[in-house]
Amino acid sequence: AQRVTQPEKLLSVFKGAPVELKCNYSYSGSPELFWYVQYSRQRLQLLLRHISRESIKGFTADLNKGETSFHLKKPFAQEEDSAMYYCALRATGRRALTFGSGTRLQVQP
Amino acid sequence: NAGVMQNPRHLVRRRGQEARLRCSPMKGHSHVYWYRQLPEEGLKFMVYLQKENIIDESGMPKERFSAEFPKEGPSILRIQQVVRGDSAAYFCASSSQDGNTEAFFGQGTRLTVV
Repeated sequence: AQRVTQPEKLLSVFKGAPVELKCNYSYSGSPELFWYVQYSRQRLQLLLRHISRESIKGFTADLNKGETSFHLKKPFAQEEDSAMYYCALRATGRRALTFGSGTRLQVQP
Repeated sequence: NAGVMQNPRHLVRRRGQEARLRCSPMKGHSHVYWYRQLPEEGLKFMVYLQKENIIDESGMPKERFSAEFPKEGPSILRIQQVVRGDSAAYFCASSSQDGNTEAFFGQGTRLTVV
């Protein structure tokens, strides 16, 4: 069975500071990893996926198979980045997602 | 395209009653997923359906819970004889036939059992 761990419930930073939201996973196969974001009063939406290797809203995430991590990073946080962030994994051959418990990011002015 | 629509947004039921949660997928999507989120936890997968078929129900509790996605109409998650522990947010997501496409989420139904 697969598992996704987000060790921080809350991460508070000041505007302009770097951000790193941690995500570790356990899965014996080759996973697909995702980051989802939920802004206040909005629905959960996909932020980025590792296979795309893209940067969205300044965020990037690199899959590190050796450390089984998929940390989300942004060099300079903005107030509008304040939201709940969920890391998710999709196992080979399955369509369902396994989510971590989420990290609330607070960016203070 | 209005996106994935869930109703009701909030549902209050007394212990022992039945709860019916509805999910209309995005236009053109034939795959539906139900997730449950307990307080302070992440979303937990419950069931994956295609039209008229349950594909994966590995996350569904063995009793009292059922799901369907009929040929016409929304997908329904049904909880019989609700208990306090069923209080949670229930999210629905939908995707198109291609397995690599994004799943889009609804705004969820918050079920409170009193």
